[in-house]
Amino acid sequence: DIQMTQSPSSLSASVGDRVTITCRTRQSISHYVNWYQQKPGQAPKLLIYTASDLQSGVPSRFSGSGSGTDFTLTISSLQPEDFATYYCQQSYSSPYTFGQGTKLEIK
Amino acid sequence: QVQLVQSGAEVKKRGASVKVSCKASGYSYTSYGITWVRQAPGQGLEWMGWINGYNGNTNYAQNVQGRVTMTTDTSTTTANMELRNLRSDDTAVYYCARVPLSGSGSPTFYYGVDVWGQGTTVTVSS
Repeated sequence: DIQMTQSPSSLSASVGDRVTITCRTRQSISHYVNWYQQKPGQAPKLLIYTASDLQSGVPSRFSGSGSGTDFTLTISSLQPEDFATYYCQQSYSSPYTFGQGTKLEIK
Repeated sequence: QVQLVQSGAEVKKRGASVKVSCKASGYSYTSYGITWVRQAPGQGLEWMGWINGYNGNTNYAQNVQGRVTMTTDTSTTTANMELRNLRSDDTAVYYCARVPLSGSGSPTFYYGVDVWGQGTTVTVSS
């Protein structure tokens, strides 16, 4: 199985900050990573697919990058509605594992 | 609009079985698969498997292999997930979600999972 190591596990930031979340794998998975946002009591929401493609309707302050074994999700200027938990998922091979999650909290 | 509506919360005894349904609407059901993901209380997301909405082909994660059966009913555009021999650590919110089919007919996660059900809470008690 491909293990997705996500960091940090939690992060405190302020509105307007730029934040970066990282996922790493031990083997190359090309650009096959998706990113999701989840708010309490809600289903996950797709933000980014194939590492850097923005899902329709997602604000452009969200961006993704990376290939091979290192991937990042960046939020360029945090908005109040962005405080949530973020997950990466590898879409390279079954089982399609998720990272452990990053909880983004208000400082 | 495109939506997946799941069945209601369940409370089951250890060793029992649970069946969660996922009713799809607003899109061509047989052009997609359905994947199931669960989330234990306060924990992360765990992928369980997928089923091809058209032909019923399945792929299960090893952690539930042997205890899970995913089925599809094209006449009612409903996918079902049955989990048997329930354990305490099966207590979780179970989500169904839509996955496009690749050219070969298998669900592909390359484009992410864009439509999710609202989640079904399954509680396993002793």
